[in-house]
Amino acid sequence: GAGVSQTPSNKVTEKGKYVELRCDPISGHTALYWYRQSLGQGPEFLIYFQGTGAADDSGLPNDRFFAVRPEGSVSTLKIQRTERGDSAVYLCASSLGTGVGYTFGSGTRLTVV
Amino acid sequence: GEDVEQSLFLSVREGDSSVINCTYTDSSSTYLYWYKQEPGAGLQLLTYIFSNMDMKQDQRLTVLLNKKDKHLSLRIADTQTGDSAIYFCAEEGSGGGNKLTFGTGTQLKVEL
Repeated sequence: GAGVSQTPSNKVTEKGKYVELRCDPISGHTALYWYRQSLGQGPEFLIYFQGTGAADDSGLPNDRFFAVRPEGSVSTLKIQRTERGDSAVYLCASSLGTGVGYTFGSGTRLTVV
Repeated sequence: GEDVEQSLFLSVREGDSSVINCTYTDSSSTYLYWYKQEPGAGLQLLTYIFSNMDMKQDQRLTVLLNKKDKHLSLRIADTQTGDSAIYFCAEEGSGGGNKLTFGTGTQLKVEL
């Protein structure tokens, strides 16, 4: 597609439930990033994929968070046993892996009630 | 550790210049970026500067980098109401992978 697509755009879930957030990167982009943006804050790095493998997952806050990119294109961020503190906008970005900067999607707003 | 700081709010009149400031702590940063975020939207890359440069101009945007003081600024000339948004500076560390550390953002309000 023309840009980075994230679905759903909004997700409301109950505390304790499992959620999956999807990211479709720009076609041909080998690098894919997940960031989390809490209200009034800048985005915080979660995880970075180069191809199918997670090259850096140092930003994942705990083992309830997991992300996959099985075919090196679409990625899914999975959150188990959601907590109210997980409420945020989850942003995905992709890049060619070389050069400068990357393209962000519009994000998924997750609300845990 | 990495830390990026910005002032929270800036208000200017239409037609004036805006200057948004940022300080960072990672002296090994390779690139520094400015992103714009409008309400309900993702982040849009505005401009960037490589760490061995001290100035970059791109139409109405001028980026100044003082590497000694770890200070970055974004000047927007002839500010328009469409420039109202939150502006984030971000640093890319030298550790590879293009991982960015963002500031908390500066909300720019342009008044008529």
